[in-house]
Amino acid sequence: GESVGLHLPTLSVQEGDNSIINCAYSNSASDYFIWYKQESGKGPQFIIDIRSNMDKRQGQRVTVLLNKTVKHLSLQIAATQPGDSAVYFCAENMGGGGADGLTFGKGTHLIIQP
Amino acid sequence: GAVVSQHPSWVICKSGTSVKIECRSLDFQATTMFWYRQFPKQSLMLMATSNEGSKATYEQGVEKDKFLINHASLTLSTLTVTSAHPEDSSFYICSEGRGNQPQHFGDGTRLSIL
Repeated sequence: GESVGLHLPTLSVQEGDNSIINCAYSNSASDYFIWYKQESGKGPQFIIDIRSNMDKRQGQRVTVLLNKTVKHLSLQIAATQPGDSAVYFCAENMGGGGADGLTFGKGTHLIIQP
Repeated sequence: GAVVSQHPSWVICKSGTSVKIECRSLDFQATTMFWYRQFPKQSLMLMATSNEGSKATYEQGVEKDKFLINHASLTLSTLTVTSAHPEDSSFYICSEGRGNQPQHFGDGTRLSIL
């Protein structure tokens, strides 16, 4: 589905608090979902991924939740740090990470306040 | 460390010239690589899938004669923007596809056409 937006939503959180970034996807056939972090002037950096046969996956300080019923994906970052400031994108495809090109969500700009 | 390298990282050229961008897989023989484009404050949009030894697959609306892709070896894909114009100015990013593993991205090439 269409994923390009003209304005990036912004989420501002206090350092040390938890952050929750949400993403809605449109393609019900997608079975692979992934979160990327993009810092200014750089390419996207892999954070965590999840397949459609799971609804939750945890990594180091991050958790991804998948709700296929409402086609919703979220990224939770625990104890947010200044280095977490970036734009976060969800992405999806069918068949797995390298099998097909990714469809990216609009992105959320995470700002960490001291 | 980086697993995908892009070159150049930044290029400025005059309208009408052609520009070649290289994408190298540093530690993997990538039969499939992907090219994306990102305009300021927007999301990444898949342009084409680069297949080693065969023709690239272009997304709808992407002109194949405008954006020439060559994937002559398992570690190198190139994107040539032919007869570039100011509207082609953008951030071009490549990634490598590794089966079921997450796509890893290069750090992008910022193209500015005067």
